[in-house]
Amino acid sequence: DGGITQSPKYLFRKEGQNVTLSCEQNLNHDAMYWYRQDPGQGLRLIYYSQIVNDFQKGDIAEGYSVSREKKESFPLTVTSAQKNPTAFYLCASSISIGEGTDTQYFGPGTRLTVL
Amino acid sequence: AQKITQTQPGMFVQEKEAVTLDCTYDTSDPSYGLFWYKQPSSGEMIFLIYQGSYDQQNATEGRYSLNFQKARKSANLVISASQLGDSAMYFCAMREWTAAGGTSYGKLTFGQGTILTVHP
Repeated sequence: DGGITQSPKYLFRKEGQNVTLSCEQNLNHDAMYWYRQDPGQGLRLIYYSQIVNDFQKGDIAEGYSVSREKKESFPLTVTSAQKNPTAFYLCASSISIGEGTDTQYFGPGTRLTVL
Repeated sequence: AQKITQTQPGMFVQEKEAVTLDCTYDTSDPSYGLFWYKQPSSGEMIFLIYQGSYDQQNATEGRYSLNFQKARKSANLVISASQLGDSAMYFCAMREWTAAGGTSYGKLTFGQGTILTVHP
């Protein structure tokens, strides 16, 4: 089945630690995205990537880093510099950025809690 | 100013009845897209329906239809024949063209969401 997988589903981190959230897609999509969702809120864009080896900051990139070495994979690292990292993180992909309907399809999410 | 406004924090509907979820947007971009997503308690965002700014007809997908009123800048979601499984958070989102890093991309901005509860 084609889709987007995120792991782990739940993640607990101690303050001062870096953690990496996994996102993999087998939809053959060029574009991938990372969003953050806080309780009762909409989604905010952290980073996006239009193509392999290229990525751009979104609205709230501070304290986060990404890589895009493979088309299928777009891992997100939450660094110790992120002041309030406890949130729900959603990865998405689309065929390409901004063309046609350019619908973004989402993974199941990772819930990160900082202890 | 809010790009996407969903004024209904919560809505209740009886099973089998229709319900309208409101969404207004603000943009000066002539080319934009409007999306609705459903987020059940599991957290995954499920794409429901899309409307392009140049589309002449309202979009429909099964029990979902989008009441697109361009002059009023509204894109309300209508769910017909509500089912218990429709209980979830619903998000309206708008895609606009944004320049960044020397290229342009379609940036998606989300509203705050509306919690829909379907009663038996």
